[in-house]
Amino acid sequence: QKEVEQDPGPLSVPEGAIVSLNCTYSNSAFQYFMWYRQYSRKGPELLMYTYSSGNKEDGRFTAQVDKSSKYISLFIRDSQPSDSATYLCAMSDAGGTSYGKLTFGQGTILTVHP
Amino acid sequence: DTAVSQTPKYLVTQMGNDKSIKCEQNLGHDTMYWYKQDSKKFLKIMFSYNNKELIINETVPNRFSPKSPDKAHLNLHINSLELGDSAVYFCASSQGEGAGGDTQYFGPGTRLTVL
Repeated sequence: QKEVEQDPGPLSVPEGAIVSLNCTYSNSAFQYFMWYRQYSRKGPELLMYTYSSGNKEDGRFTAQVDKSSKYISLFIRDSQPSDSATYLCAMSDAGGTSYGKLTFGQGTILTVHP
Repeated sequence: DTAVSQTPKYLVTQMGNDKSIKCEQNLGHDTMYWYKQDSKKFLKIMFSYNNKELIINETVPNRFSPKSPDKAHLNLHINSLELGDSAVYFCASSQGEGAGGDTQYFGPGTRLTVL
């Protein structure tokens, strides 16, 4: 079993829909939770991050972390065709021997069609 | 100016050959990484260096040897290439630990195909 599980999709939604992307994890040491967006043939770029549990909102994007359930989510409101990309969740513990090590989910391929 | 650059962008080679991929960052960051992304988009860390010192060395065949001549450069040399080495290799950099708000900035990737 992988440390981080993410449904690869693909997910296809109409423009304006609310999108929900999720990851589950098994390592209770994870403290940082990140979402990266990767456009086709490009490198991933950081979209949002949260530390420990709770919600964080940035424009149309909301990240949620539920550490008790080991479950994180990314919601995209009013989705746009420009949101079409692969979304990767990533996690890290607070340092020590895992300095700099991000563990990624497989990524969910999202297509928003006009 | 490109923040993290990699050369070459595409690499097609025969099994058994030795090849190198180069990475440079102009962000003044202290930490650099190599990741491998397979055909299913699964992205996995291979190595990380902080101030030219090896920090992370994941379970990677010793045919893969990273080298950091200075803080701004991290190269990856691969000996005796195998079919399973075909993937996209990403270089990344961060100021420190590269988690949470300390963003890891990724390069454009090097698409390696071993025939």
